[in-house]
Amino acid sequence: DAEITQSPRHKITETGRQVTLACHQTWNHNNMFWYRQDLGHGLRLIHYSYGVHDTNKGEVSDGYSVSRSNTEDLPLTLESAASSQTSVYFCASSESGQGYGYTFGSGTRLTVV
Amino acid sequence: DAKTTQPNSMESNEEEPVHLPCNHSTISGTDYIHWYRQLPSQGPEYVIHGLTSNVNNRMASLAIAEDRKSSTLILHRATLRDAAVYYCILSTSGTYKYIFGTGTRLKVLA
Repeated sequence: DAEITQSPRHKITETGRQVTLACHQTWNHNNMFWYRQDLGHGLRLIHYSYGVHDTNKGEVSDGYSVSRSNTEDLPLTLESAASSQTSVYFCASSESGQGYGYTFGSGTRLTVV
Repeated sequence: DAKTTQPNSMESNEEEPVHLPCNHSTISGTDYIHWYRQLPSQGPEYVIHGLTSNVNNRMASLAIAEDRKSSTLILHRATLRDAAVYYCILSTSGTYKYIFGTGTRLKVLA
């Protein structure tokens, strides 16, 4: 079965370190998205991609970067982790077209100490 | 991006219908209305979506006002497993990104 997987599920890192969160989907979806969710809040869009070599900034992109070298993967990099980036991160993918919904991964809980 | 407004929280008794409202007064003609829900400690999951006509699927029904400025997600018989945060989202034709609001937290009482 097709799926979208995020790794790791949990990570603790130190302030100032570079961190990369992985997102891998086998749906062959063109569109991929990264969101963060802070305790008691909704999801905020960080970056998104509509295809290979395409990346776009979302609502809260400062301090984050992504690259899309193939259809399956959209890794999210925190260039220099800050305590304000402690959050749960969700990756999602979708087919192009308004009739298609998102499929979300299970999330990565990141703690920056 | 057009905004949506939802009540922060609602309660329902188990096995009773639930009507979750969403206002989107600035919706444009090509905006789709999507509903997602997020169960505790999980990622959001798709519930239903529509453009102009009412929609039904195995999970829920979506009733869209004639002027499209509001919509209602209907769960026909709430169960304890339906306790979640429900998000109403608009998407504009040609873009596939969703901007989430804070959603409605549904509590189902046994």
